[in-house]
Amino acid sequence: NAGVTQTPKFQVLKTGQSMTLQCAQDMNHNSMYWYRQDPGMGLRLIYYSASEGTTDKGEVPNGYNVSRLNKREFSLRLESAAPSQTSVYFCASSEDRDSPLHFGNGTRLTVT
Amino acid sequence: EDQVTQSPEALRLQEGESSSLNCSYTVSGLRGLFWYRQDPGKGPEFLFTLYSAGEEKEKERLKATLTKKESFLHITAPKPEDSATYLCAVQVKNSGAGSYQLTFGKGTKLSVIP
Repeated sequence: NAGVTQTPKFQVLKTGQSMTLQCAQDMNHNSMYWYRQDPGMGLRLIYYSASEGTTDKGEVPNGYNVSRLNKREFSLRLESAAPSQTSVYFCASSEDRDSPLHFGNGTRLTVT
Repeated sequence: EDQVTQSPEALRLQEGESSSLNCSYTVSGLRGLFWYRQDPGKGPEFLFTLYSAGEEKEKERLKATLTKKESFLHITAPKPEDSATYLCAVQVKNSGAGSYQLTFGKGTKLSVIP
């Protein structure tokens, strides 16, 4: 099983450009999440989807949008990238809210 | 505000030298406490979930314990392959959407020297 797959692995954007980070899971999990990880800070939740057809804001949603395309796929969109969005982005999934998260290997994004 | 503090930030051990990592938390009501391991360039990997004070979980050289204010990750006779960053996260009791949100600590970077 692949688990949680994220694409791309690396990306460099200029300020103002847009892009979509893709995430897919093959574990038939109901819930999916987007986190960002910055040096010296804990993982912070951007958005999550408790189940197919629903999305909710997390701790740091500003500047991002998400789409739960189907049960397998959950994408994160940056409409107008800013240097403050330079980070490592992790997608995760879980069977339900009380189950452990399964993480992908991240997308390393640099905004210049 | 929910807070999670991990200590130390970094720990260097000789192979075979046992030690403990600490995760102290301040939350309105604990639903669950999670331990993850993260290797460089990878996503976090789940280790344990603890739900109530006094609970213990073990896996190979690792044992996690929980009190009302903190959790410990005990590493017995560590090997170089145990080198990683260990993350602690808490889930708050909340009947609504908030229970989906984990609060993560900043992690402890463990290095085990041969």
